[in-house]
Amino acid sequence: QVQLVESGGGLVKPGGSLRLSCAASGFTSSDYYMSWIRQAPGKGLEWVSYISDIGNTIYYADSVKGRFTISRDNAKNSVYLQMNSLRVVDTAVYYCAREYGPRNYHYMDVWGKGTTVTVAS
Amino acid sequence: SYVLTQPPSVSVAPGKTAKITCGGDNIGSNNVHWYLQKPGQAPVLVIYYDSDRPLGIPDRFSGSKSGNTATLTISRVEAGDEADYYCQVWDSNSDHWVFGGGTKLTVL
Repeated sequence: QVQLVESGGGLVKPGGSLRLSCAASGFTSSDYYMSWIRQAPGKGLEWVSYISDIGNTIYYADSVKGRFTISRDNAKNSVYLQMNSLRVVDTAVYYCAREYGPRNYHYMDVWGKGTTVTVAS
Repeated sequence: SYVLTQPPSVSVAPGKTAKITCGGDNIGSNNVHWYLQKPGQAPVLVIYYDSDRPLGIPDRFSGSKSGNTATLTISRVEAGDEADYYCQVWDSNSDHWVFGGGTKLTVL
């Protein structure tokens, strides 16, 4: 069964750090690009970051660039999001998603259930 | 930055047809994907490449594009279709994924 499971969320103070993990099962994650997407309470979806299959291409949303770092360990079938200098506005459910399709023609066909990050003092 | 505009809400009676629009400059040159999200759940892909349907998505869901607008059409709407719907494109100018603001579909 193709599945993504996020973990690592929690409550953190402003300025703090968290590392989110996304574990893939039922498929070889190294064959796919992966993205992180977040959703603030009561708000819409916001793309956060993307990493290519071998990790040599990475993009970030402007709102997190310089503070968040995406990485992957294909041996562990996992993708990570290191979040530093967290702000209250980073409070959200964070989803990881698999990108499927030919290069430059991707769509997100599998999503995890999400992990909740709360930034508050 | 690229912006996708969706109506905040659409209401439809059961058995009728719902149309959810997604507007963006030159959207015709982008592949548009659609996701539904029910409360407390993760998004689910319902349409990709403007009009293709993933396995398991009913054929009541269809997608189209014309001019600067993409449209998700849900025929014979059921109570279970009540959800938030998001459109999405890849903006190659900024190398960013862009989501529309989302449309809440209410089944009356």
